[in-house]
Amino acid sequence: DTGVSQDPRHKITKRGQNVTFRCDPISEHNRLYWYRQTLGQGPEFLTYFQNEAQLEKSRLLSDRFSAERPKGSFSTLEIQRTEQGDSAMYLCASSLGHSNQPQHFGDGTRLSIL
Amino acid sequence: DAKTTQPNSMESNEEEPVHLPCNHSTISGTDYIHWYRQLPSQGPEYVIHGLTSNVNNRMASLAIAEDRKSSTLILHRATLRDAAVYYCILRDTASGTYKYIFGTGTRLKVLA
Repeated sequence: DTGVSQDPRHKITKRGQNVTFRCDPISEHNRLYWYRQTLGQGPEFLTYFQNEAQLEKSRLLSDRFSAERPKGSFSTLEIQRTEQGDSAMYLCASSLGHSNQPQHFGDGTRLSIL
Repeated sequence: DAKTTQPNSMESNEEEPVHLPCNHSTISGTDYIHWYRQLPSQGPEYVIHGLTSNVNNRMASLAIAEDRKSSTLILHRATLRDAAVYYCILRDTASGTYKYIFGTGTRLKVLA
């Protein structure tokens, strides 16, 4: 399967712990996006990379959140000092560079904070 | 804020056509209309997209109003596997990131 891959699929952690998620985009895609989805809502944009450059961050992305995309390939999203409100599905998507190209989503990482 | 408006839920009988409406009255001339669907515990799945003309693919058809202020996703013969939340999305083209701004979508229930 050559789609977008996310790891882990599920993460359960205690409040205050740090967690890191990984996303492997489709190989030729230079654009990579992170979204967060809570129950009953549509996904909300968190941040965007073009190649290795992080070009936009949402106000939802507090200073406890950091994302990287070294070498413009896979990306990681880290949450430090997790809080109850961080419980959500974290989705990664990738696309080619043209404005009309659709984004392809992974199946997400579901984070549960105890 | 979401740029699109969709009904919260719809029902269809199996093997009948389904028309899912979407209003996007603030659409700009360069905005493409994208449709995705999402099954439980999965990421959104691309369905179809278009700019001005009606579009067809193996999954669905997209009918776009002449003034582009609304569109309709057409599933020609609904199956139980089509039960999902369907999102109509305009991309944010202003910033150059082309990020998606999702609404709450339409939950489609397919009755056997």
